[in-house]
Amino acid sequence: AQKITQTQPGMFVQEKEAVTLDCTYDTSDQSYGLFWYKQPSSGEMIFLIYQGSYDEQNATEGRYSLNFQKARKSANLVISASQLGDSAMYFCAMKGTNAGKSTFGDGTTLTVKP
Amino acid sequence: EAGVAQSPRYKIIEKRQSVAFWCNPISGHATLYWYQQILGQGPKLLIQFQNNGVVDDSQLPKDRFSAERLKGVDSTLKIQPAKLEDSAVYLCASSFFAKVDRAFGQFFGPGTRLTVL
Repeated sequence: AQKITQTQPGMFVQEKEAVTLDCTYDTSDQSYGLFWYKQPSSGEMIFLIYQGSYDEQNATEGRYSLNFQKARKSANLVISASQLGDSAMYFCAMKGTNAGKSTFGDGTTLTVKP
Repeated sequence: EAGVAQSPRYKIIEKRQSVAFWCNPISGHATLYWYQQILGQGPKLLIQFQNNGVVDDSQLPKDRFSAERLKGVDSTLKIQPAKLEDSAVYLCASSFFAKVDRAFGQFFGPGTRLTVL
């Protein structure tokens, strides 16, 4: 079975500062992928960043980076230089090998203050 | 490139009624997913198709929910009869492959918001 835990229901950050959103996971799969999605109030789900379990380097996509610590089973999302448009719900997800089931956490609501 | 299309966007029904949702994935995407997202929670996978075959439907309440993907392209999700606890947003997503890799980043449709009264 897979499980994703996001322990921060809500987070606040000042504009232009960096913020870390926590994600821990549990799986019995040897090979898996970890993902972060952004869901604004409009409801659309936007793919942000991906980390493979065998990737040696942490993933980065623009202002997003994924702090992957395999031994601790954590995959935290770091957003640098926060913008007002970053205010949204953020979901951590994982998917097992091949056609494995995808599992989402319950999300963290991020609010960026001007 | 057109995104994932879903209809209707909103639906309000009485409990015990039936409802159907439609999804058209991105052209060429072999894998299609239906998720249920209850307010305040993350999406829960209901069913995953690879072309027109079911890969995973372990979380689909089969006594009332059904889904099909004829011809391996668009898909319908049906609830019959609906219960109050089915009120949620139903998200459809597609990806080129089912396997885990960078290309997996699922592309989601706008969702259908279902309210059961």
